[in-house]
Amino acid sequence: QVQLQESGPGLVKPSQTLSLTCTVSRVSISGGRYYWSWIRQPAGKGLEWIGRIFTSGSTNYNPSLKSRVTISVDTSKNQFSLNLSSVTAADTAVYYCARGYPFLDYWGQGTLVTVSS
Amino acid sequence: SYVLTQPPSVSVAPGNTASITCGRDNIGSKSVHWYQQRSGQAPVLVMYYDSDRPSGIPERFSGSNSGNTATLTISRVEAGDEADYYCQVWDSGNNHVVFGGGTKLTVL
Repeated sequence: QVQLQESGPGLVKPSQTLSLTCTVSRVSISGGRYYWSWIRQPAGKGLEWIGRIFTSGSTNYNPSLKSRVTISVDTSKNQFSLNLSSVTAADTAVYYCARGYPFLDYWGQGTLVTVSS
Repeated sequence: SYVLTQPPSVSVAPGNTASITCGRDNIGSKSVHWYQQRSGQAPVLVMYYDSDRPSGIPERFSGSNSGNTATLTISRVEAGDEADYYCQVWDSGNNHVVFGGGTKLTVL
């Protein structure tokens, strides 16, 4: 069973960069033809896809966040990461990492990131 | 932008059938996937490619997609089915995942 685990600071100051890492277990991130995604969910609201990265390093981003998002992969650590720059309170959310395309078959448990001074 | 329309809420008595819809013009030409999110938990895939069930999902869950509406149907609803349900497609024009707004299923 594939496992994903998000990690990173739970509190980020406005205008700074939010950085999260997803550690993948029980499957090699570079061993298959999988996409790896980030999704977020503000409290009481729906799911918003942030972007994805392929094993090769190619990426796709949500047009609404594209100017602030970078997703990268570190195959040596079996991890992929999210950087979201210039954050505001509107970026406060639970952030999930997940595997798959065109559907997301494995998800991490999520991590709450609060943007506040 | 690509918008998927779901009813905010659906209520059903235990043992009855719940139908949760996901609408968009010509959604029948897309593959639709569905997720269940219980309170405080991560989403779980319950249906993919319109009507395929992942391993471990009860046969009570079924899906269909035609015309302008995709539907997730839950038969013989149980208390444990109470959750938020999200539909999802891949927007090939913009190369991104799109989620519906979500439907809260309440078991009366």
